[in-house]
Amino acid sequence: EVVVTQSPATLSVSPGERATLSCRARQIPSKYLAWYQQKRGQAPRLLIYGVSTRATGVPARFSGSQSVTEFTLTISSLQSEDSAVYYCQDYSNWPLLFGQGTKLEIK
Amino acid sequence: QVQMQESGPGLVKPSETLSLTCTVSGDSISSTSYYWGWIRQPPGKGPEWIVSIYYNRNNYYNPSLKSRVTTSVDTSKNQFSLKLSSVTAADTAIYFCARPPFGEEHSFEYWGQGILVTVSS
Repeated sequence: EVVVTQSPATLSVSPGERATLSCRARQIPSKYLAWYQQKRGQAPRLLIYGVSTRATGVPARFSGSQSVTEFTLTISSLQSEDSAVYYCQDYSNWPLLFGQGTKLEIK
Repeated sequence: QVQMQESGPGLVKPSETLSLTCTVSGDSISSTSYYWGWIRQPPGKGPEWIVSIYYNRNNYYNPSLKSRVTTSVDTSKNQFSLKLSSVTAADTAIYFCARPPFGEEHSFEYWGQGILVTVSS
């Protein structure tokens, strides 16, 4: 079964600190990886597409990157409103795949 | 400002067909080069992509759902639709329609608010 794997499942970080979320997709390197933020009762919000391009209106504290083995979403200087579930999406091939999510808690 | 709105029944009986429509405003389905998507999210789980629809090209389907999915586009109403046949409880989910950002194809920037569809007798 083809899967996209996110880690950790839950992350607890203090306000003002940095959060690093990881995603292992079907292929690397790739240009086709997106990150979403989802708060309770809302639709997912696109944060990053094309690995590192911020979507319209997304604050600069959100950044995306890739290494040799994985993709990373970094949130620098965490704020209370960043508490949410974060999903990555691999659109390098069909079917489009989402990860299972990382729940980010603010201490 | 692109806005999207899902509509349809919130309750469907097992073995019946789920039918949803997405109404788009602020953009034209037929005049822009986008694949319009349907994504669902079971309660407490991650999103699952269902299908990407292009009004005059081939669609792309999730293989796990393809045999049960039918789509259509009504350019006069600026709507696109999803039908999912032979539903079971496993099809209970929030169903979203969505569109990519400008210049992109298969990530999703614009989303409807979602509609909860429950499969139950």
